[in-house]
Amino acid sequence: DTEVTQTPKHLVMGMTNKKSLKCEQHMGHRAMYWYKQKAKKPPELMFVYSYEKLSINESVPSRFSPECPNSSLLNLHLHALQPEDSALYLCASSHRTGNDIQYFGAGTRLSVL
Amino acid sequence: QKEVEQNSGPLSVPEGAIASLNCTYSDRVSQSFFWYRQYSGKSPELIMSIYSNGDKEDGRFTAQLNKASQYVSLLIRDSQPSDSATYLCAVNIGGTASKLTFGTGTRLQVTL
Repeated sequence: DTEVTQTPKHLVMGMTNKKSLKCEQHMGHRAMYWYKQKAKKPPELMFVYSYEKLSINESVPSRFSPECPNSSLLNLHLHALQPEDSALYLCASSHRTGNDIQYFGAGTRLSVL
Repeated sequence: QKEVEQNSGPLSVPEGAIASLNCTYSDRVSQSFFWYRQYSGKSPELIMSIYSNGDKEDGRFTAQLNKASQYVSLLIRDSQPSDSATYLCAVNIGGTASKLTFGTGTRLQVTL
């Protein structure tokens, strides 16, 4: 089983709202990732957690705040987003960091009005 | 020079033919290479991973890696209309940590 579950599937929010994206995996993976994908572009890495610690932040604006409460769960808290933040947000996990295969969830389609 | 380069396509092949997708990368120390398939509006799905020079076959798919030429390819035999998608080449740049870098993807169209 290589399932990564993301909720919600779709989210519409105003620029003053606060919302959260959730990602869950039960494969015993110790590395989890957030990517952002705009239409007709490849996924772009945002954050990497390794053993529940943030190991990579790709200079993401502070209006995006990641959290890893435990080894199975990854959240992305959103606040004061801009319309240009509208995109598909993808969560992925791998056994460990390094050369391990990353498995992607179905994504959350975010629209910022 | 981009770190991972792919021809954006579209690559059009008739049903039953072999589709050949190519990818070059810039960092000589890269150690792991992946092909993902992405249908429109969906998330990337792993097709193949390859770590050593040579060929790796899985069903209708064959990945080929040549580290000396910094080149990785994906062959799809007996192409089906359901193979029509964007194929993303991903490389672990620098051979460290978890920084997968994706190419821009090649859009494949399999025609009837």
